[in-house]
Amino acid sequence: DQQVKQNSPSLSVQEGRISILNCDYTNSMFDYFLWYKKYPAEGPTFLISISSIKDKNEDGRFTVFLNKSAKHLSLHIVPSQPGDSAVYFCAASSTNFGNEKLTFGTGTRLTIIP
Amino acid sequence: DAGVIQSPRHEVTEMGQEVTLRCKPISGHNSLFWYRQTMMRGLELLIYFNNNVPIDDSGMPEDRFSAKMPNASFSTLKIQPSEPRDSAVYFCASSGQYNSPLHFGNGTRLTVT
Repeated sequence: DQQVKQNSPSLSVQEGRISILNCDYTNSMFDYFLWYKKYPAEGPTFLISISSIKDKNEDGRFTVFLNKSAKHLSLHIVPSQPGDSAVYFCAASSTNFGNEKLTFGTGTRLTIIP
Repeated sequence: DAGVIQSPRHEVTEMGQEVTLRCKPISGHNSLFWYRQTMMRGLELLIYFNNNVPIDDSGMPEDRFSAKMPNASFSTLKIQPSEPRDSAVYFCASSGQYNSPLHFGNGTRLTVT
């Protein structure tokens, strides 16, 4: 039972355009969400997070949007760059547990086309 | 800061053999996590330690899996006996203060034939 779902295994985007990665969750107790980025042969690295008290968080080219009623979040990358090519994992937790009980999705492989 | 260090990077073993994966967390971090990555299930939390004490091992798939953290700078994940379905990438991660991001190692790719 996947509580965090990334339904698109892969996504290709032209350099300079916007990349939108989607994530859905089913557990109503989740109120803390994160995105991790993973290059081949490396571990995931933290990218950006959002608490359920917000609906948007921005960090440079990266913005995460949260729609609590739809149990949906998305990561926007603008403009997309070749170095953004990686696998992106969505993760969720409840504030009570913080990082100690992160539930990850299966990832979306983003390829930026030069 | 050397980051989280895992060894070996690759492990190939035959079914039935014992496998031991090793992890050195970032110095000063008091939480340590073992994750397993598969195509079907993504990243799954197996077990985590806080101040060297196992807090939640509910993600450990079977009794064949065990983990220890004898001190703040070292942890092991052991599989005995190993089976082909254990083939995956195993990640160790550590974190410092509550809710600070996890720092992952580069993983151990395990292949059981």
